[in-house]
Amino acid sequence: AQKVTQAQTEISVVEKEDVTLDCVYETRDTTYYLFWYKQPPSGELVFLIRRNSFDEQNEISGRYSWNFQKSTSSFNFTITASQVVDSAVYFCALTLNAGKSTFGDGTTLTVKP
Amino acid sequence: KAGVTQTPRYLIKTRGQQVTLSCSPISGHRSVSWYQQTPGQGLQFLFEYFSETQRNKGNFPGRFSGRQFSNSRSEMNVSTLELGDSALYLCASSLGRQGTDTQYFGPGTRLTVL
Repeated sequence: AQKVTQAQTEISVVEKEDVTLDCVYETRDTTYYLFWYKQPPSGELVFLIRRNSFDEQNEISGRYSWNFQKSTSSFNFTITASQVVDSAVYFCALTLNAGKSTFGDGTTLTVKP
Repeated sequence: KAGVTQTPRYLIKTRGQQVTLSCSPISGHRSVSWYQQTPGQGLQFLFEYFSETQRNKGNFPGRFSGRQFSNSRSEMNVSTLELGDSALYLCASSLGRQGTDTQYFGPGTRLTVL
């Protein structure tokens, strides 16, 4: 069985601080896909990034960056120079079969002005 | 392209009733997945439909069922509602290719059972 752990339940930072959200996953499969989603108060999950198990390249997209390390089964997400609009719940997810994802419990990020 | 749409957005029902939720996927997407989100259990996978067939199923009782139509639209039904069924029900669509797809989520239907 697969599992995704987001140990940080809540994080609060002041605007312009950098923040890293942790994600640790468990699976016995060698082929899998990892995702990060953002859930603002409106409720809709917004896709941020997808990474497959064979691609350990880190990725940067504007203020967002992701660090994927198979050796530690981690897929961490960093927001640089956080802004109030980044306040949301962030979910890490693991997918083995199309259409079926296992989600972590989410990390609530609050960015204060 | 229009995103995933879900109707209704809000529902209030009483225990014992049944409810049907609807999801229209992104055009061209053939896979529709349903998730239940509650404060206590988080996001849990219900089932996934691809080309009108249930392809994956989560660990929910038989009161939860779904179907998919030829135009890929999907409905989810919950019979004999219980208080614990109060949740945000999220629908996600994807192209349906094994293992490579990104799921795009709708805004959800918030169900309250009284």
